[in-house]
Amino acid sequence: SQTIHQWPATLVQPVGSPLSLECTVEGTSNPNLYWYRQAAGRGLQLLFYSVGIGQISSEVPQNLSASRPQDRQFILSSKKLLLSDSGFYLCAWSRTGPYEQCFGPGTRLTVT
Amino acid sequence: SQQGEEDPQALSIQEGENATMNCSYKTSINNLQWYRQNSGRGLVHLILIRSNEREKHSGRLRVTLDTSKKSSSLLITASRAADTASYFCATDALYTGTASKLTFGTGTRLQVTL
Repeated sequence: SQTIHQWPATLVQPVGSPLSLECTVEGTSNPNLYWYRQAAGRGLQLLFYSVGIGQISSEVPQNLSASRPQDRQFILSSKKLLLSDSGFYLCAWSRTGPYEQCFGPGTRLTVT
Repeated sequence: SQQGEEDPQALSIQEGENATMNCSYKTSINNLQWYRQNSGRGLVHLILIRSNEREKHSGRLRVTLDTSKKSSSLLITASRAADTASYFCATDALYTGTASKLTFGTGTRLQVTL
């Protein structure tokens, strides 16, 4: 069966510090991968998606970037965090095409 | 912007009652999906209904889709305390790529009391 991992679970970082969140998927190959952010009490906003190694599409302009160095690894990064980057970050995967997505447990990021 | 908007924002019912949540959206879709989120956790996929389907069932869940009104509803029958969670609809917009670009609503917070 497929599983998706995210780490860390929680993170407190000062403004201006770098960020690296990692997501890995097991039990499938060539998945579509997604990064979402959820503000408190709100729905999810799609940040990035990837249909293959090195292929990244950005949905909203922001202070973040994403990379996919391996087939089942998706990384969310920032060179300098802003207060507005605080939130709950969720990684997800899906099969190629219009299918449901499977979400990881999320990382709660607090920028102080 | 959020394409899906759920109604109501919050719903409190007693165990055994039915819970109905509604979702409206604005543009043409491939499919509409419903997810559940327990507090502070990741989302769990509940059901996917394609644009050419009108109704779908999964256990105690019943989803309807009216593409002419651009709306969907999620019915949870015989609710249980364990159903307490936030429920989100997500629309998968029509486009030519191979990814599933979901747009989520703001969710309905369901509280089921004993």
